[in-house]
Amino acid sequence: EPEVTQTPSHQVTQMGQEVILRCVPISNHLYFYWYRQILGQKVEFLVSFYNNEISEKSEIFDDQFSVERPDGSNFTLKIRSTKLEDSAMYFCASSGRPGDNEQFFGPGTRLTVL
Amino acid sequence: QKEVEQDPGPLSVPEGAIVSLNCTYSNSAFQYFMWYRQYSRKGPELLMYTYSSGNKEDGRFTAQVDKSSKYISLFIRDSQPSDSATYLCAMSDYKLSFGAGTTVTVRA
Repeated sequence: EPEVTQTPSHQVTQMGQEVILRCVPISNHLYFYWYRQILGQKVEFLVSFYNNEISEKSEIFDDQFSVERPDGSNFTLKIRSTKLEDSAMYFCASSGRPGDNEQFFGPGTRLTVL
Repeated sequence: QKEVEQDPGPLSVPEGAIVSLNCTYSNSAFQYFMWYRQYSRKGPELLMYTYSSGNKEDGRFTAQVDKSSKYISLFIRDSQPSDSATYLCAMSDYKLSFGAGTTVTVRA
């Protein structure tokens, strides 16, 4: 069964460093998303991406964040200068259709900022 | 008022019992309603999704949506210890808005 994959599973970084989180969405999907979940809190929407551009983004997704689809398979989230409060699980999701009725999530990357 | 409200529990039931979970919401723009299961430190796994008001059944799982009351439910029949997880409701008006999740333990 096709699935969303994410690398790395755990990333530890120093405050102020740049990190890139990688995702490989399900191959025939067209819509891509990033969510995050701070420990003990809700899953929160960050950004959606379609046709090589951002469709929607939340207030969390400020200028420190960027997304890219560098090739036909990968989808990345970059945090330019990490802060302590960026420590969270980051989930990538993909769907084949608009309207988000079936979004499939990856296993997540746990980001720890020291 | 929070956009999606879900009682975090925890909820503990004996094996074989019916698990009843629910969420309320305030945003009338939500069109799609989903239930995800999440194990500790793992990604959410899609269990059920519905579009319209009414019931949808899939094996031991039944999802109900009442748009007029802005209320959704998930029922798990004949619960098993392997059903122990956190259950998240999620709703969509384009992006997903999640509830806080209800932690369920099914005791053998």
